[in-house]
Amino acid sequence: AQKVTQAQTEISVVEKEDVTLDCVYETRDTTYYLFWYKQPPSGELVFLIRRNSFDEQNEISGRYSWNFQKSTSSFNFTITASQVVDSAVYFCALSLTNAGGTSYGKLTFGQGTILTVHP
Amino acid sequence: DTEVTQTPKHLVMGMTNKKSLKCEQHMGHRAMYWYKQKAKKPPELMFVYSYEKLSINESVPSRFSPECPNSSLLNLHLHALQPEDSALYLCASSQLAGLYGYTFGSGTRLTVV
Repeated sequence: AQKVTQAQTEISVVEKEDVTLDCVYETRDTTYYLFWYKQPPSGELVFLIRRNSFDEQNEISGRYSWNFQKSTSSFNFTITASQVVDSAVYFCALSLTNAGGTSYGKLTFGQGTILTVHP
Repeated sequence: DTEVTQTPKHLVMGMTNKKSLKCEQHMGHRAMYWYKQKAKKPPELMFVYSYEKLSINESVPSRFSPECPNSSLLNLHLHALQPEDSALYLCASSQLAGLYGYTFGSGTRLTVV
């Protein structure tokens, strides 16, 4: 069975600090997708990034960056120069696929990390 | 249109009531999902529809009854709910392969009294 662990329950930083959210996953499958979602107080889950298991390239998008390391089964997320608007719950999630690369349609979420950025 | 729209945003219902949650998307996605999220917990999958057919039911009690009348619309019919069913109900959609991620709606906050 697959599992996603976000060991940091809550993180509190001051604006402009860099912050890294950790995500470790477990699966026996060789083909899978990893995701990060942001959930602000309004409740909507906002898609941030998707990464498939064969693409270990790190990615940067503005102040956001992701570090995927298959060797350690980790998919960490870093926010550079954090802002108050980054305050939210962040979820890492895993989706398995079949041999044809089609998702089974089930996202397994980590427990989430509550990020609070203080002005 | 890149949104998943859920109505109502808030719902309070008694344990003997019958109500429905509605979810709509016009992105051409052929997979739609219902998730349940309790406070301070991650979302948990309830149902998956692929091509308007139920493909996954995560052992959800029968007081929750999903329906997919067409490729753009997903309903969740509620009947005889319990107070512990109070939660945020999230709808999502995706391309069948899930290759481009899952788009979530903003949810319906349900309170059962």
